[in-house]
Amino acid sequence: DGGITQSPKYLFRKEGQNVTLSCEQNLNHDAMYWYRQDPGQGLRLIYYSQIVNDFQKGDIAEGYSVSREKKESFPLTVTSAQKNPTAFYLCASSRGGFYGYTFGSGTRLTVV
Amino acid sequence: KNEVEQSPQNLTAQEGEFITINCSYSVGISALHWLQQHPGGGIVSLFMLSSGKKKHGRLIATINIQEKHSSLHITASHPRDSAVYICAVRRPNTGNQFYFGTGTSLTVIP
Repeated sequence: DGGITQSPKYLFRKEGQNVTLSCEQNLNHDAMYWYRQDPGQGLRLIYYSQIVNDFQKGDIAEGYSVSREKKESFPLTVTSAQKNPTAFYLCASSRGGFYGYTFGSGTRLTVV
Repeated sequence: KNEVEQSPQNLTAQEGEFITINCSYSVGISALHWLQQHPGGGIVSLFMLSSGKKKHGRLIATINIQEKHSSLHITASHPRDSAVYICAVRRPNTGNQFYFGTGTSLTVIP
């Protein structure tokens, strides 16, 4: 079955370290998105990509970086410049048009 | 102020009750998305609406574009319906980006 796989499910990071979250989809979707979820807040867009080798900053891109070298993969790196990285991170994909999102199961990142 | 407001924030119901969750938005939209988030964090899509009403099983979603309002109804609620329900709107000319409400946490008690 097609879907989106995020790994790992839980991730612990020491302050000052970069960490990369994986997002892979086999839905043949062109568009992929990274969202951050914090308690009491709606999902906020970090980065999105509508085609391979192209991506755009979302509302809260500072301290994050992405790449889109393959259609199936959209990894997110949380850099040491991100001041408050502890959060739940969700990856989504869409085939665009009138279609909604398909979400991954999320990665919970904790900075220790 | 968030562009998408949901009410109530928290809702507790007895099994079998009819449930309504509301979503109001303040911007022009091209579509509205209702999503369900389970305690483990995974999110599934329930409905995409641009007008009228949609039904799937015990779930019904309606939207009134003029009033900038949508409702999600659950008939004959069951404990397995306990989850966070999230409303998201897509604004025109934003590359299929959605803007999310903060969610309504529903608990259905047996």
